[in-house]
Amino acid sequence: QVQMVESGGGVVQPGRSLRLSCVASGFTFSSYVMHWVRQAPGKGLDWVAVTWYNGTSKSYADSVMGRFTISRDNSKNTLYLQMNNLRAEDTAVYYCARDSGEHYLDYWGQGILVTVSS
Amino acid sequence: QVVLTQSPSASASLGASVKLTCTLSSGHKSYAIAWHQQQPQKGPRFLMKLNSDGSHSKGDGIPDRFSGSSSGAERYLTISSLQSEDEADYYCQTWGTGVIWVFGGGTKLTVL
Repeated sequence: QVQMVESGGGVVQPGRSLRLSCVASGFTFSSYVMHWVRQAPGKGLDWVAVTWYNGTSKSYADSVMGRFTISRDNSKNTLYLQMNNLRAEDTAVYYCARDSGEHYLDYWGQGILVTVSS
Repeated sequence: QVVLTQSPSASASLGASVKLTCTLSSGHKSYAIAWHQQQPQKGPRFLMKLNSDGSHSKGDGIPDRFSGSSSGAERYLTISSLQSEDEADYYCQTWGTGVIWVFGGGTKLTVL
């Protein structure tokens, strides 16, 4: 069955960096577009970034452009999110999600909490 | 850019039906959307893709109690025979030009 497991979250000070990982299984990872979506405490879902099949094409939300980098290693079935210059407003649960191929997200991970605080 | 609007809350009684609405912004009424369910303290779960003509395709294991329909810029999610586990947040999602993905603000459904 399709499964995605995020890791790498935790508490980090403002201005520091953190890298999230998402290990996928149960499907051919390299054949799918992959996303990161976040959810601040008590708030709704907020799309963060997307990477296409071989990782050369990427797109970002304006709120993270220039600070976050999405990447993937298809040999390891793993999606990454490198987060630099973190701000308090980046505090959220971060989810990786698979794109169906028709632009909607059809499978989600369980999420990982990132807290940015001094 | 496309914007999705949802009512913040809805409620209905156990065993009854409820219809949730997601409204597409002006100029985007032909867009398809997806509905996602998020139960308390859980990650989101894909429910269905819903096209502008009302046709829809559901995710794996989604019960027949969940259905979708469309009218103009409105996209609906109807849940019949409400159960306690249907109490959750429901989000609509679409994708826009400029290569972005967009979520509605979500509707919190309370089952009475």
